[in-house]
Amino acid sequence: AQKITQTQPGMFVQEKEAVTLDCTYDTSDQSYGLFWYKQPSSGEMIFLIYQGSYDEQNATEGRYSLNFQKARKSANLVISASQLGDSAMYFCAMREGPEETSGSRLTFGEGTQLTVNP
Amino acid sequence: EAQVTQNPRYLITVTGKKLTVTCSQNMNHEYMSWYRQDPGLGLRQIYYSMNVEVTDKGDVPEGYKVSRKEKRNFPLILESPSPNQTSLYFCASSRTSRPTDTQYFGPGTRLTVL
Repeated sequence: AQKITQTQPGMFVQEKEAVTLDCTYDTSDQSYGLFWYKQPSSGEMIFLIYQGSYDEQNATEGRYSLNFQKARKSANLVISASQLGDSAMYFCAMREGPEETSGSRLTFGEGTQLTVNP
Repeated sequence: EAQVTQNPRYLITVTGKKLTVTCSQNMNHEYMSWYRQDPGLGLRQIYYSMNVEVTDKGDVPEGYKVSRKEKRNFPLILESPSPNQTSLYFCASSRTSRPTDTQYFGPGTRLTVL
């Protein structure tokens, strides 16, 4: 079974509007971290936001917020007031403990390509 | 500025010619890792290091070597590169291996093996 599922290969949004990128995950671990990264066409992997499995409040970082629904195992990224520079690939990732995965690596979803239209 | 640096950023080489991709972090992180990103296969971990002198294989270690002699550096060595190692390589680091610690990525190295 996929550990991280991103069901939207591509999304389009108008500039200044909000957009939600979906992410569901699968783990039996109690302690885990959920992360979103942005990869622009230049290729670098930029960390955006983090949510811990024990965090009760949804994470926020500027225009980014994470809608964390633990019972549904979902961790959707919300980008408010989209900008042209937000056009990029967005990856949801999960990190479990070393006991659960080799080397406490990040497990990535397949990504969502976001295009912001002027 | 806290960062992970990689060099070179771009490299074109030929089959069999040994190469090293350097990775350095200035955040005093214990954990470092190498990933490769390939179309259709996503990001896969090659090797990781929990601390100095502690390294272990990830999911796709064949054809690669690493070392961790100093905390800040974690070079990736391809002793005899082959075309199937053409990829985008990322080094990443985090404070520890705990799942709640964020992994920060370097800018990536685009490697082409002819």
